[in-house]
Amino acid sequence: AQKVTQTQTSISVMEKTTVTMDCVYETQDSSYFLFWYKQTASGEIVFLIRQDSYKKENATVGHYSLNFQKPKSSIGLIITATQIEDSAVYFCAMRDGTSSGQKLVFGQGTILKVYL
Amino acid sequence: AQTIHQWPVAEIKAVGSPLSLGCTIKGKSSPNLYWYWQATGGTLQQLFYSITVGQVESVVQLNLSASRPKDDQFILSTEKLLLSHSGFYLCAWSPSRGRGTEVFFGKGTRLTVV
Repeated sequence: AQKVTQTQTSISVMEKTTVTMDCVYETQDSSYFLFWYKQTASGEIVFLIRQDSYKKENATVGHYSLNFQKPKSSIGLIITATQIEDSAVYFCAMRDGTSSGQKLVFGQGTILKVYL
Repeated sequence: AQTIHQWPVAEIKAVGSPLSLGCTIKGKSSPNLYWYWQATGGTLQQLFYSITVGQVESVVQLNLSASRPKDDQFILSTEKLLLSHSGFYLCAWSPSRGRGTEVFFGKGTRLTVV
């Protein structure tokens, strides 16, 4: 079964710096899809960025980018030039292939606090 | 643009009472639909998914049931609430074309069982 692990419970960074959040995953699939989501204080879940396992290039969207290390089953999220409004809980997720791709498995989440 | 509307926004219910939560997706035909549950401070756990009207698959057994009576509607329900049902319920959708697509979430319903 698929498994996603985020070991960092909470990270605090100063505004305008760069932060990396770690995520490792387990899967038997040869092809899979990895996602990062952000949960705001209101509870809203927002999709941020996605990495397809067959793509060698790291995905980048705005000030979010990924560090995809396939041999290590690792997909880190990098946020550059952090802003106060980036404070949130960040979830790593993987799309499961064993149930027709309809199961999205989430990690435990990492709380990010950005301060002035 | 696609919109997803969940109702109600919040509920306070007594143990043993029935529950019905719903969501509607507009602007997308035949979406894949999902229900997720999140305990306070916890991760998101998928409960059900549906790829077509009238067909629902259970992922986790939590004494809940789900139905898809219309292409754009997904209902989560139970006849008898437990304290353990408290939490945050999120409806979500994805395009039907494959598993590589992103899943998009509604704003959620906060349920407190007392």
